[in-house]
Amino acid sequence: QITLKESGPTLVKPTQTLTLTCIFSGFSLRASGVGVGWIRQPPGKALEWLAIIYWDDDKRYSPSLKSRLTITKDTSKNQVVLTVTNMDPVDTATYYCVQRTTAGTYFDLWGQGTLVTVSS
Amino acid sequence: DIQMTQSPSSLSASVGDRVTITCRASQGISNYLAWYQQKPGKVPKLLIFAASTLQSGVPSRFSGSGSGTDFTLTISSLQPEDVATYYCQKYNSDPYTFGQGTKLEIK
Repeated sequence: QITLKESGPTLVKPTQTLTLTCIFSGFSLRASGVGVGWIRQPPGKALEWLAIIYWDDDKRYSPSLKSRLTITKDTSKNQVVLTVTNMDPVDTATYYCVQRTTAGTYFDLWGQGTLVTVSS
Repeated sequence: DIQMTQSPSSLSASVGDRVTITCRASQGISNYLAWYQQKPGKVPKLLIFAASTLQSGVPSRFSGSGSGTDFTLTISSLQPEDVATYYCQKYNSDPYTFGQGTKLEIK
């Protein structure tokens, strides 16, 4: 059974850096075609794709947020980490960890999501 | 970057109605289009990929069509449990943009 679970702070202050960890099980990020990414959703708003890291360490980022995002993986720990610098109240959102299908970069498996609030 | 535009933004229909949601890409994306359903307070769920392929376990009243720039999601006979927001997503290349969503309610 494949699971993904997000962890990280629920509250960050403006200008701080957010670090989120996705801990997954049931698959390996060493396997060809596998990718793990992040999607966020502000309260009451639409889904926004943020970043993805692939089995071969290829990384892709949302152009609008690229300067603030870093995605890394630790295959030995089955973890993917997303950092977002210079957090702002508009970054308040539920952040989801997702697994890409091997057939394409759409997402058939999602974590439960973690709500991050940015407030002083 | 390619933009994804859904219409309508919200929709109210009666149980048993045929419902159609449209997603338009600002440039051609072949059939690299997925649809998701997000019920209130829940995690999004993949419904359709490759524009028209139903994900395993999804009821057959859901269908997708289109290629290039214009795509549709159709519910052939609306059920109460279909109340949700529906999103399209392109995946021909990054960025893997979502549409703004269509909120579906029961009349």
